[in-house]
Amino acid sequence: ETGVTQSPTHLIKTRGQQVTLRCSSQSGHNTVSWYQQALGQGPQFIFQYYREEENGRGNFPPRFSGLQFPNYSSELNVNALELDDSALYLCASSLERDYNEQFFGPGTRLTVL
Amino acid sequence: GEDVEQSLFLSVREGDSSVINCTYTDSSSTYLYWYKQEPGAGLQLLTYIFSNMDMKQDQRLTVLLNKKDKHLSLRIADTQTGDSAIYFCAESMDNQGGKLIFGQGTELSVKP
Repeated sequence: ETGVTQSPTHLIKTRGQQVTLRCSSQSGHNTVSWYQQALGQGPQFIFQYYREEENGRGNFPPRFSGLQFPNYSSELNVNALELDDSALYLCASSLERDYNEQFFGPGTRLTVL
Repeated sequence: GEDVEQSLFLSVREGDSSVINCTYTDSSSTYLYWYKQEPGAGLQLLTYIFSNMDMKQDQRLTVLLNKKDKHLSLRIADTQTGDSAIYFCAESMDNQGGKLIFGQGTELSVKP
């Protein structure tokens, strides 16, 4: 059984660019949640996808968007990057929205210059 | 409103017990969690407690919940240098799906 994987591990972009981050959920998990963790802070909930539909969203602007695919892998897209978007982006997978067992990936470190 | 607060740092000697504290504001919290994050890594779920419980023990870990004071603590017995990490308290609510609300994290430093 493989755990949650994310790619890439590190990424450097410039302000105004667009970025796509990817997440493969743990085997059998159909729910993926994305979090943003700024340096020295706790993770902040961006949104959750369940069976390819958005199932809840945190306080993030529309330039943060996502997708979930039939194999339950997921993408986080961020348009018009700002300096404050520099953070560790974490995805977590769970089974049937069972948030007691959310398993986190290692994260993607995004730096916006 | 939703807010979870933790003290930022804790330093203990190897072999001592560590107690990490957390307060939360939303009384409709359903579950409360403790996660561990090592440098450069994602979050590892350590344990969680349902809001109608007041204590949960799992090997070296003991979670205490005081629902009246909205206070959660994590006690680590016989703390080891490998326990050095950042510990996050988090809450979730029934009507908010998978949304976890995290505290700022407590950095635990274990000295030999």
